[in-house]
Amino acid sequence: GENVEQHPSTLSVQEGDSAVIKCTYSDSASNYFPWYKQELGKGPQLIIDIRSNVGEKKDQRIAVTLNKTAKHFSLHITETQPEDSAVYFCAATRGYGQNFVFGPGTRLSVLP
Amino acid sequence: GAVVSQHPSWVICKSGTSVKIECRSLDFQATTMFWYRQFPKQSLMLMATSNEGSKATYEQGVEKDKFLINHASLTLSTLTVTSAHPEDSSFYICSAVRSANTGELFFGEGSRLTVL
Repeated sequence: GENVEQHPSTLSVQEGDSAVIKCTYSDSASNYFPWYKQELGKGPQLIIDIRSNVGEKKDQRIAVTLNKTAKHFSLHITETQPEDSAVYFCAATRGYGQNFVFGPGTRLSVLP
Repeated sequence: GAVVSQHPSWVICKSGTSVKIECRSLDFQATTMFWYRQFPKQSLMLMATSNEGSKATYEQGVEKDKFLINHASLTLSTLTVTSAHPEDSSFYICSAVRSANTGELFFGEGSRLTVL
């Protein structure tokens, strides 16, 4: 089955700097890769996603890149703000109706 | 984005009682919903996959008689923790797959269960 690894487990950056979180997956049939942000005591919130037919996607300060050959994808947050502090999860799935496999999470702290 | 509503957000109950948690997709139909359990500072642990109109599929190690799941409509799935014990105290989260070509997954707000 699919296995998703995520690094780093914790990340601290200064406000205004960039943050990068990387995930690798094992199942070459996975074709959809979402990223979630989870704040304390809340459910995860979908922040960006990418499909296997695209190499990069950007939404304001957030971007995701995908390397299908190497089976890894990354989340990039630019101009970080204190409100970006949260736990971020990556996930991979083969598609609709299939299970989503999550990474272990990255705790991001943005220091003012 | 799509909205998934989970209720209650927190519940405290006595040991031996049963607790029901509801998960509703508010603006889309969800053929498939997932139920997760999350321990402090850990990732999401899939408990079961809930398919509308059929029996839920439970992950290995999850007691189906203890965690009853019902997915009676395309917008509602419920998780009932039966005869709850303190070790069942946890954060339970549901998610729903949008029944469209996108297949995006959206989460509820989570339910904090405390069993005394």
